[in-house]
Amino acid sequence: NAGVTQTPKFRVLKTGQSMTLLCAQDMNHEYMYWYRQDPGMGLRLIHYSVGEGTTAKGEVPDGYNVSRLKKQNFLLGLESAAPSQTSVYFCASSYSEYEQYFGPGTRLTVT
Amino acid sequence: RKEVEQDPGPFNVPEGATVAFNCTYSNSASQSFFWYRQDCRKEPKLLMSVYSSGNEDGRFTAQLNRASQYISLLIRDSKLSDSATYLCVVNPGYSSASKIIFGSGTRLSIRP
Repeated sequence: NAGVTQTPKFRVLKTGQSMTLLCAQDMNHEYMYWYRQDPGMGLRLIHYSVGEGTTAKGEVPDGYNVSRLKKQNFLLGLESAAPSQTSVYFCASSYSEYEQYFGPGTRLTVT
Repeated sequence: RKEVEQDPGPFNVPEGATVAFNCTYSNSASQSFFWYRQDCRKEPKLLMSVYSSGNEDGRFTAQLNRASQYISLLIRDSKLSDSATYLCVVNPGYSSASKIIFGSGTRLSIRP
């Protein structure tokens, strides 16, 4: 099992550009999450999904959109990137609301 | 007051020492608690869940104190490989996927 995978691993964007981060899990988990992690701060929840076709906002959703068309995939979109979105993005999945399994992260720099 | 607070450290201790850190939480209704470990530039990984009765896994012991609203992690006979950031996680309970709170982590450095 690959667990949770994320693509790409690194990306540099110019302000105003758009991109999509892909998260895939092969554990048949219902719950999937997108977090961002900034220095000195804990992981902050951007959006999450409790099942295929469902999404919901987390703590810091502004500037991001998500989709969960297939159970195993959870996409995070940035429509118009801003320097404040420079961060490390982690995807996670879980069977319920308990133990979460994380992907390796995507390091995004917006210049 | 932050919902989940951790001493950021760093804790710098010699190999073989015992080290402990706490994590306080503000929501008295919180139901489940976890410790995760995060190595530098890596993803967080579950270290252990924290049960009301306390639990032990090898050199690691986790405790929950509901009255004072904190959880603790004790590491005995520390190894160089224990150097990492330790995140505490608090979950309010059922139907609360959006309310899971991660602490900002405590950095631990074990020196030879």
